[in-house]
Amino acid sequence: AQKVTQAQTEISVVEKEDVTLDCVYETRDTTYYLFWYKQPPSGELVFLIRRNSFDEQNEISGRYSWNFQKSTSSFNFTITASQVVDSAVYFCALSESGDYKLSFGAGTTVTVRA
Amino acid sequence: DAGVIQSPRHEVTEMGQEVTLRCKPISGHDYLFWYRQTMMRGLELLIYFNNNVPIDDSGMPEDRFSAKMPNASFSTLKIQPSEPRDSAVYFCASSVGQGRSNQPQHFGDGTRLSIL
Repeated sequence: AQKVTQAQTEISVVEKEDVTLDCVYETRDTTYYLFWYKQPPSGELVFLIRRNSFDEQNEISGRYSWNFQKSTSSFNFTITASQVVDSAVYFCALSESGDYKLSFGAGTTVTVRA
Repeated sequence: DAGVIQSPRHEVTEMGQEVTLRCKPISGHDYLFWYRQTMMRGLELLIYFNNNVPIDDSGMPEDRFSAKMPNASFSTLKIQPSEPRDSAVYFCASSVGQGRSNQPQHFGDGTRLSIL
Protein backbone atom coordinates (compact mmCIF):
# COMPACT_ATOMS: atom_id res chain seq x y z
CA ALA A 1 0.00 0.00 0.00
CA GLN A 2 1.20 3.48 -0.84
CA LYS A 3 2.34 5.12 2.36
CA VAL A 4 3.61 8.41 1.02
CA THR A 5 1.86 10.46 -1.65
CA GLN A 6 3.36 13.38 -3.46
CA ALA A 7 0.56 14.54 -5.71
CA GLN A 8 2.62 17.14 -7.55
CA THR A 9 4.65 15.57 -10.32
CA GLU A 10 6.36 18.72 -11.55
CA ILE A 11 6.59 22.34 -10.45
CA SER A 12 8.18 25.08 -12.50
CA VAL A 13 8.89 28.52 -11.06
CA VAL A 14 10.92 31.59 -11.81
CA GLU A 15 13.88 32.35 -9.60
CA LYS A 16 13.02 34.08 -6.30
CA GLU A 17 9.52 32.61 -6.21
CA ASP A 18 8.56 30.43 -3.26
CA VAL A 19 7.91 26.73 -3.86
CA THR A 20 5.77 24.52 -1.63
CA LEU A 21 5.91 20.76 -2.01
CA ASP A 22 3.04 18.67 -0.72
CA CYS A 23 3.38 15.35 1.05
CA VAL A 24 0.62 13.21 2.53
CA TYR A 25 1.47 10.08 4.45
CA GLU A 26 -0.37 7.09 5.81
CA THR A 27 0.54 5.11 8.91
CA ARG A 28 -1.15 3.39 11.83
CA ASP A 29 1.81 3.95 14.12
CA THR A 30 1.70 6.68 16.72
CA THR A 31 5.48 7.04 16.51
CA TYR A 32 6.95 7.68 13.11
CA TYR A 33 9.48 9.84 11.32
CA LEU A 34 9.22 11.96 8.22
CA PHE A 35 12.02 13.06 5.95
CA TRP A 36 12.69 15.18 2.91
CA TYR A 37 15.46 14.30 0.49
CA LYS A 38 16.73 16.17 -2.56
CA GLN A 39 18.05 14.54 -5.73
CA PRO A 40 19.80 17.08 -7.97
CA PRO A 41 20.49 16.35 -11.64
CA SER A 42 23.83 14.81 -10.68
CA GLY A 43 21.85 11.95 -9.14
CA GLU A 44 22.87 11.72 -5.51
CA LEU A 45 20.29 11.72 -2.71
CA VAL A 46 20.80 14.42 -0.14
CA PHE A 47 19.11 14.42 3.27
CA LEU A 48 17.39 17.73 4.06
CA ILE A 49 15.16 17.44 7.13
CA ARG A 50 13.70 14.94 9.62
CA ARG A 51 10.74 15.29 11.95
CA ASN A 52 9.29 12.87 14.47
CA SER A 53 5.60 12.43 15.08
CA PHE A 54 5.77 13.94 18.55
CA ASP A 55 7.08 17.27 17.36
CA GLU A 56 4.62 19.27 15.31
CA GLN A 57 6.54 22.49 15.72
CA ASN A 58 7.15 23.99 12.34
CA GLU A 59 10.59 25.36 11.74
CA ILE A 60 12.63 27.39 9.35
CA SER A 61 16.18 26.57 8.37
CA GLY A 62 17.65 29.10 6.03
CA ARG A 63 15.47 29.12 2.94
CA TYR A 64 13.79 25.86 3.90
CA SER A 65 10.71 25.55 6.08
CA TRP A 66 8.25 22.78 6.76
CA ASN A 67 4.68 22.46 7.91
CA PHE A 68 3.86 19.25 9.75
CA GLN A 69 0.17 18.68 10.51
CA LYS A 70 -0.80 15.36 12.07
CA SER A 71 -4.51 16.16 11.75
CA THR A 72 -4.26 16.03 7.98
CA SER A 73 -1.27 13.63 7.79
CA SER A 74 0.66 16.19 5.82
CA PHE A 75 4.30 17.19 5.86
CA ASN A 76 4.77 20.03 3.40
CA PHE A 77 8.09 21.60 2.51
CA THR A 78 8.71 25.14 1.29
CA ILE A 79 11.70 26.68 -0.42
CA THR A 80 11.68 30.43 -0.03
CA ALA A 81 13.19 32.69 -2.70
CA SER A 82 14.07 29.78 -4.95
CA GLN A 83 17.35 29.63 -6.81
CA VAL A 84 18.40 27.78 -9.94
CA VAL A 85 20.46 25.43 -7.78
CA ASP A 86 17.26 24.29 -6.10
CA SER A 87 16.26 22.53 -9.31
CA ALA A 88 16.00 18.87 -8.34
CA VAL A 89 13.63 16.05 -7.53
CA TYR A 90 12.39 16.24 -3.95
CA PHE A 91 11.29 13.11 -2.13
CA CYS A 92 9.21 12.83 0.99
CA ALA A 93 9.77 9.65 3.01
CA LEU A 94 8.27 7.88 6.01
CA SER A 95 9.86 5.57 8.55
CA GLU A 96 7.79 3.84 11.18
CA SER A 97 9.02 3.19 14.70
CA GLY A 98 11.03 0.01 15.00
CA ASP A 99 11.22 -0.36 11.23
CA TYR A 100 14.18 1.49 9.87
CA LYS A 101 13.33 1.29 6.19
CA LEU A 102 12.20 4.37 4.34
CA SER A 103 9.07 4.42 2.22
CA PHE A 104 9.51 7.08 -0.42
CA GLY A 105 6.96 9.09 -2.31
CA ALA A 106 7.17 9.29 -6.09
CA GLY A 107 8.99 12.61 -5.96
CA THR A 108 8.29 16.12 -7.21
CA THR A 109 10.49 17.60 -9.90
CA VAL A 110 11.21 21.26 -9.24
CA THR A 111 12.55 23.41 -12.03
CA VAL A 112 13.69 26.92 -11.18
CA ARG A 113 14.16 29.15 -14.21
CA ALA A 114 16.49 32.11 -14.19
CA ASP B 1 34.34 12.93 6.81
CA ALA B 2 33.89 10.37 4.06
CA GLY B 3 30.34 9.62 3.09
CA VAL B 4 28.92 6.35 1.81
CA ILE B 5 31.12 5.09 -0.99
CA GLN B 6 29.74 3.00 -3.81
CA SER B 7 31.50 1.34 -6.68
CA PRO B 8 31.39 1.21 -9.58
CA ARG B 9 29.58 4.44 -10.49
CA HIS B 10 28.53 2.99 -13.82
CA GLU B 11 28.27 -0.58 -15.02
CA VAL B 12 27.30 -1.77 -18.45
CA THR B 13 27.17 -5.49 -19.05
CA GLU B 14 25.43 -8.06 -21.14
CA MET B 15 22.46 -10.09 -20.09
CA GLY B 16 23.39 -13.22 -18.22
CA GLN B 17 26.56 -11.83 -16.70
CA GLU B 18 27.14 -11.60 -12.97
CA VAL B 19 27.10 -8.09 -11.54
CA THR B 20 28.56 -7.12 -8.18
CA LEU B 21 27.89 -3.74 -6.62
CA ARG B 22 29.93 -2.58 -3.64
CA CYS B 23 29.31 -0.28 -0.73
CA LYS B 24 31.34 1.13 2.12
CA PRO B 25 29.11 2.71 4.78
CA ILE B 26 30.00 5.66 6.93
CA SER B 27 32.25 4.60 9.76
CA GLY B 28 30.30 4.00 12.96
CA HIS B 29 26.98 3.48 11.22
CA ASP B 30 25.34 0.21 12.19
CA TYR B 31 22.55 0.14 9.61
CA LEU B 32 23.10 -0.41 5.90
CA PHE B 33 20.43 -0.27 3.21
CA TRP B 34 20.27 -1.15 -0.48
CA TYR B 35 17.70 0.68 -2.63
CA ARG B 36 16.86 0.52 -6.31
CA GLN B 37 15.53 3.46 -8.31
CA THR B 38 13.64 3.06 -11.59
CA MET B 39 11.28 5.28 -13.48
CA MET B 40 8.46 2.79 -13.14
CA ARG B 41 8.77 1.88 -9.46
CA GLY B 42 10.61 4.85 -7.98
CA LEU B 43 12.84 4.27 -4.95
CA GLU B 44 12.32 0.89 -3.35
CA LEU B 45 14.15 -0.82 -0.53
CA LEU B 46 15.75 -4.13 -1.43
CA ILE B 47 17.35 -5.20 1.84
CA TYR B 48 18.81 -3.79 5.00
CA PHE B 49 21.33 -4.92 7.59
CA ASN B 50 21.88 -4.14 11.24
CA ASN B 51 25.31 -4.91 12.66
CA ASN B 52 26.08 -6.93 9.51
CA VAL B 53 22.99 -9.13 9.90
CA PRO B 54 20.22 -9.00 7.28
CA ILE B 55 17.03 -7.77 8.92
CA ASP B 56 14.56 -7.43 6.08
CA ASP B 57 15.10 -8.79 2.58
CA SER B 58 11.46 -8.74 1.53
CA GLY B 59 12.25 -6.24 -1.20
CA MET B 60 14.74 -8.46 -2.99
CA PRO B 61 12.97 -9.14 -6.27
CA GLU B 62 14.16 -12.64 -7.06
CA ASP B 63 16.64 -15.33 -6.13
CA ARG B 64 18.95 -13.83 -8.71
CA PHE B 65 19.62 -11.06 -6.21
CA SER B 66 21.77 -11.61 -3.13
CA ALA B 67 23.42 -9.28 -0.64
CA LYS B 68 26.11 -9.79 1.94
CA MET B 69 27.77 -7.76 4.62
CA PRO B 70 30.90 -9.64 5.76
CA ASN B 71 32.02 -6.83 8.06
CA ALA B 72 30.97 -3.40 9.30
CA SER B 73 32.72 -1.57 6.51
CA PHE B 74 31.70 -3.47 3.41
CA SER B 75 28.62 -4.80 1.66
CA THR B 76 27.91 -6.28 -1.75
CA LEU B 77 24.80 -6.66 -3.84
CA LYS B 78 25.08 -9.34 -6.47
CA ILE B 79 22.85 -10.12 -9.44
CA GLN B 80 23.37 -13.46 -11.14
CA PRO B 81 22.36 -13.88 -13.89
CA SER B 82 21.54 -10.29 -14.81
CA GLU B 83 18.59 -9.36 -17.02
CA PRO B 84 17.73 -6.14 -18.91
CA ARG B 85 14.94 -5.38 -16.43
CA ASP B 86 17.54 -5.09 -13.67
CA SER B 87 18.75 -1.88 -15.28
CA ALA B 88 18.38 0.84 -12.64
CA VAL B 89 20.29 3.05 -10.26
CA TYR B 90 21.24 1.16 -7.12
CA PHE B 91 21.83 3.16 -3.96
CA CYS B 92 23.49 2.17 -0.75
CA ALA B 93 22.71 4.11 2.42
CA SER B 94 23.80 3.93 6.04
CA SER B 95 22.57 5.31 9.32
CA VAL B 96 23.15 5.18 13.04
CA GLY B 97 20.61 3.08 14.93
CA GLN B 98 20.42 4.68 18.34
CA GLY B 99 17.56 2.53 19.47
CA ARG B 100 14.31 3.47 17.80
CA SER B 101 15.05 7.05 16.90
CA ASN B 102 15.25 6.37 13.15
CA GLN B 103 18.14 8.60 12.30
CA PRO B 104 18.51 9.94 8.74
CA GLN B 105 19.92 7.63 6.13
CA HIS B 106 22.89 8.96 4.23
CA PHE B 107 23.14 7.82 0.65
CA GLY B 108 26.02 7.04 -1.66
CA ASP B 109 26.18 8.45 -5.16
CA GLY B 110 24.62 5.31 -6.60
CA THR B 111 25.61 2.80 -9.26
CA ARG B 112 23.94 3.24 -12.62
CA LEU B 113 23.52 -0.28 -13.98
CA SER B 114 22.67 -1.03 -17.59
CA ILE B 115 22.07 -4.58 -18.72
CA LEU B 116 22.12 -4.98 -22.50
